[in-house]
Parts: sequence; C-alpha cells; structure tokens
Amino acid sequence: GAGVSQTPSNKVTEKGKYVELRCDPISGHTALYWYRQSLGQGPEFLIYFQGTGAADDSGLPNDRFFAVRPEGSVSTLKIQRTERGDSAMYLCASSLFGTESYNEQFFGPGTRLTVL
Amino acid sequence: GDSVTQMEGPVTLSEEAFLTINCTYTATGYPSLFWYVQYPGEGLQLLLKATKADDKGSNKGFEATYRKETTSFHLEKGSVQVSDSAVYFCALRSNNAGNMLTFGGGTRLMVKP
Repeated sequence: GAGVSQTPSNKVTEKGKYVELRCDPISGHTALYWYRQSLGQGPEFLIYFQGTGAADDSGLPNDRFFAVRPEGSVSTLKIQRTERGDSAMYLCASSLFGTESYNEQFFGPGTRLTVL
Repeated sequence: GDSVTQMEGPVTLSEEAFLTINCTYTATGYPSLFWYVQYPGEGLQLLLKATKADDKGSNKGFEATYRKETTSFHLEKGSVQVSDSAVYFCALRSNNAGNMLTFGGGTRLMVKP
C-alpha cells in the first residue's frame, strides 16, 4: 500500500517568507510526527499528533513554527518569517497507534527546505 | 534529557567484512531501542528493534542486543554487502516521555566490492 508522502520534495524560499509543508500519512494511522534533520545529523523531534490534536509540541523551536492536522489525516507544518537556520530536511512519520511504546513509525521521504 | 551517541563515520569496509556500529544511550526508565537505515535517495526505514533488556533485534543479517548494564545497543553484521551502504541511525523511545524518537547523529557505512 501507499506509504507516507510529503510535498513538495524540495522547497526553496527567501528569508522572511512563509512556507507550508504537507504530510499525507498512511491511511488509518492515528499518530503523526514531524522531525527536522539538519545536514549530517540525526532527526530531531518537532511535534506529535494523536488524531487531530497536538499531543506534544515540545520540540517546536519557537513560535514561528506551527502545525495542524484538522481532520486527523493530512498535516501541514507552517513556518513564518523563515530564517536561513531553518534550512533542513523536514521528515514526517506516522504510526497506527501512538500509545504503544514499541509501535513502529513509518517515515516519508522528506521535504528539503532551503532558505536563501 | 534523553540522548543517543553513536560512532562517527564514515565507516568504510570491504565486502564480506564484519561490521560493528557502536551506540550508547542515556534515558530515564526503560526505553525501547531501534536501528533505522537510510539508503541513498530513500526515507528512513526501521531495521530492527528491542523493547526490553537482553532482547536481541535482528533483520537482514543485522543484529543488536539491548544491554541495560552498559546502556548500549551496538549494531553488528557478520558479512556486509555493497547493498548495505547507507546511513544508520540508532534511536530510542522513552516510555516516560511520550512517543517521540530520539536519534543519534547517524553513521555512514560505505562497502566497497
């Protein structure tokens, strides 16, 4: 079946602009996660949704970052007033249930964001 | 807070060589441990996992044993292939801190024929 998809695959923007990154999780997965991966580093957690609500947004770096999941499926990560330091690969993952400690997270291919 | 430390790469091996990639962790409670692999141009894939002490995860010839006494989860493979060339990430999920994964920095493996 279809895996996690993310659009766009690449996004180039200018400093100060607003961007939206989209994630389509695997159908039926209730949990959705956003991570950010800088070049040469491991992914870092940003935010976790269980259904429509953000269960944990402790990883969002500041109030320029915001994410929504209005219908409990597709999620959008929104970044306002982008800065060059926001340049990274943004990864989305989903899992069937979010409460089991060992439940596998399936990752999308990522969106590479470049802020000029 | 939780953290994962893994050996820096790149690791360059000849085909059929033995592989070890070290991984140690710091976490409260009893985390679940994972190895993810990222092949060139592809997304992260779960390679193997272990959910409690002394568990051994295995997949595609790779193995890792959850060692609570040394807080380690080293990845091993007896005979690597060129197709194993990828970046490998060790990760944990703390049972006390929600469902997010905490990743190490990744280790690039290059296998030469």
